[in-house]
Amino acid sequence: GAVVSQHPSWVICKSGTSVKIECRSLDFQATTMFWYRQFPKQSLMLMATSNEGSKATYEQGVEKDKFLINHASLTLSTLTVTSAHPEDSSFYICSAQALTSTDTQYFGPGTRLTVL
Amino acid sequence: TQLLEQSPQFLSIQEGENLTVYCNSSSVFSSLQWYRQEPGEGPVLLVTVVTGGEVKKLKRLTFQFGDARKDSSLHITAAQPGDTGLYLCAGAEGGATNKLIFGTGTLLAVQP
Repeated sequence: GAVVSQHPSWVICKSGTSVKIECRSLDFQATTMFWYRQFPKQSLMLMATSNEGSKATYEQGVEKDKFLINHASLTLSTLTVTSAHPEDSSFYICSAQALTSTDTQYFGPGTRLTVL
Repeated sequence: TQLLEQSPQFLSIQEGENLTVYCNSSSVFSSLQWYRQEPGEGPVLLVTVVTGGEVKKLKRLTFQFGDARKDSSLHITAAQPGDTGLYLCAGAEGGATNKLIFGTGTLLAVQP
């Protein structure tokens, strides 16, 4: 149980285009999902907290107009990187917090984004 | 801004050796978690410690939460190549959002 999936697992796009990454909780409902980015051999940096049915809360320094987050249902959150640039290339990881267990975040497998 | 500093950053050891990874902060956390992450994958939860002074064992891994709930350590006995990976501690802020603040990470390589 408690499986989180991400799609796609990797994506390559041209500079200036937008890319959407999906995060799904497969067998539980998640009121809260979190989006992280991770550079090679570095730790996870929290980008934003996504709550179902409301606006996401962004961490300091994260541009909300560049990283659009939508949490339309209790099992799906999406992160759209708009007008992507090479510096946006990174490993993006989501996690989901179950309704019944707010102490635990279940992590997705990550999405590798490469912007050419 | 809460920070979690891990030491060492990198560690390369031979199979069978013991090691300890430290996770330190000036902030108090409601709980602290340890994760292991392999390249190209998401982090996998190893343990959650909640009570100050708590010690938990998971086979050859021993986790300790500091008395003041500001720091933690992970000790691995007789390391094996399968232990290779990025080890991350993460402190839970608690409260409504219960955000996790991740440590700086320790990259462990166990040579056969």
